[in-house]
Amino acid sequence: AIRMTQSPSSFSASTGDRVTITCRASQGISSYLAWYQQKPGKAPKLLIYAASTLQSGVPSRFSGSGSGTDFTLTISCLQSEDFATYYCQQYYSYPWTFGPGTKVDIK
Amino acid sequence: QITLKESGPTLVKPTQTLTLTCTFSGFSLSTSGVGVGWIRQPPGKALEWLALIYWDDDKRYSPSLKSRLTITKDTSKNQVVLTMTNMDPVDTATYYCAHRRGIDYPVGYWGQGTLVTVSS
Repeated sequence: AIRMTQSPSSFSASTGDRVTITCRASQGISSYLAWYQQKPGKAPKLLIYAASTLQSGVPSRFSGSGSGTDFTLTISCLQSEDFATYYCQQYYSYPWTFGPGTKVDIK
Repeated sequence: QITLKESGPTLVKPTQTLTLTCTFSGFSLSTSGVGVGWIRQPPGKALEWLALIYWDDDKRYSPSLKSRLTITKDTSKNQVVLTMTNMDPVDTATYYCAHRRGIDYPVGYWGQGTLVTVSS
């Protein structure tokens, strides 16, 4: 199975900050990479797929980049509603695998 | 508008079989490329993909759980059923079903999830 890692595992940030989360795959996954946002007690929400394509309705302050094994999720100007846990996931091959998550909380 | 909702028992005993139903609307599981998957999340832990079933009845399973899982669909009822045998306390988790619109996409629409606790 392809192993997904994320860094950092958690960090504190302030509203207005630019934040970047990285995700690495243990082998190449082309651009078959998705990012999800999850808030406590809620289902994950798809933000980005195909590494850099914004899901319909997702604010443009979210962006994704990368291909192969290294990927990033960037939030250009953190808003209060963005404090959550973020997961990357590869859908290049079965079994699909998720990263361990990155929790973004308020500084 | 695509919606999915999971249903099933909230509490099962160890060694029992869990049966979860995903009832959906807004799409058809007979449309080419479409799939419905199951993902779970133990309390405070990360997401784990379990299984997927496609419009053509192609099925995919997590290798680590394959011997315990069965996924089926009832297109006429707009339902997907997941069964997991020999439940253990480590299977305590929120179980989600989710929609996949095609081969080049991840799951996009998720149900609200259902918490299943395994305890005697």
